[in-house]
Amino acid sequence: QQQVKQSPQSLIVQKGGIPIINCAYENTAFDYFPWYQQFPGKGPALLIAIRPDVSEKKEGRFTISFNKSAKQFSLHIMDSQPGDSATYFCAARTTGNQFYFGTGTSLTVIP
Amino acid sequence: EADIYQTPRYLVIGTGKKITLECSQTMGHDKMYWYQQDPGMELHLIHYSYGVNSTEKGDLSSESTVSRIRTEHFPLTLESARPSHTSQYLCASSEKGYGNQPQHFGDGTRLSIL
Repeated sequence: QQQVKQSPQSLIVQKGGIPIINCAYENTAFDYFPWYQQFPGKGPALLIAIRPDVSEKKEGRFTISFNKSAKQFSLHIMDSQPGDSATYFCAARTTGNQFYFGTGTSLTVIP
Repeated sequence: EADIYQTPRYLVIGTGKKITLECSQTMGHDKMYWYQQDPGMELHLIHYSYGVNSTEKGDLSSESTVSRIRTEHFPLTLESARPSHTSQYLCASSEKGYGNQPQHFGDGTRLSIL
């Protein structure tokens, strides 16, 4: 059973657009929600993370919005650039320190 | 940038061979993990370790084994490789504790079994 559901599977936006990637979960034991960015041939790298007691977190052009009651969280990329083209994974960690990942979103930013 | 290294980066090998995928980290992290990654799928946890001499199986059933004799080293072994083992294998590590400790990933080993 997939613990973290991620959508869309792929996304194409124009440069300067604001792609939004959504994730949903059911397990209320999750206590930490990171997003990872992965370029071809590289491992996932931490982009930004949030804890469930916070509704929004911004780091540069990346923002996580978190809705605890709906058990949903999303990644927004402001002023997207071609260099942001990558695969993005959401994840959730249990209090037992196990991580569960979404299926990934392939983002393409067209110049 | 995290210091976690995986070798080899790519491996093409015949069925029945014994394979060891290496993973080393220089950050002194207690926790280490092995994931299997296939296109369009979530990362599946196959093994993890919370410290020296500690190893556990993850959610995804795997015919591989791991060992953790030193903090920095977490090799994964396939005794007899099969085509179904073809995948990308990612190693990760994280600090001890339950705060905001993310996982740091290596660049993976892409394994192809002929």
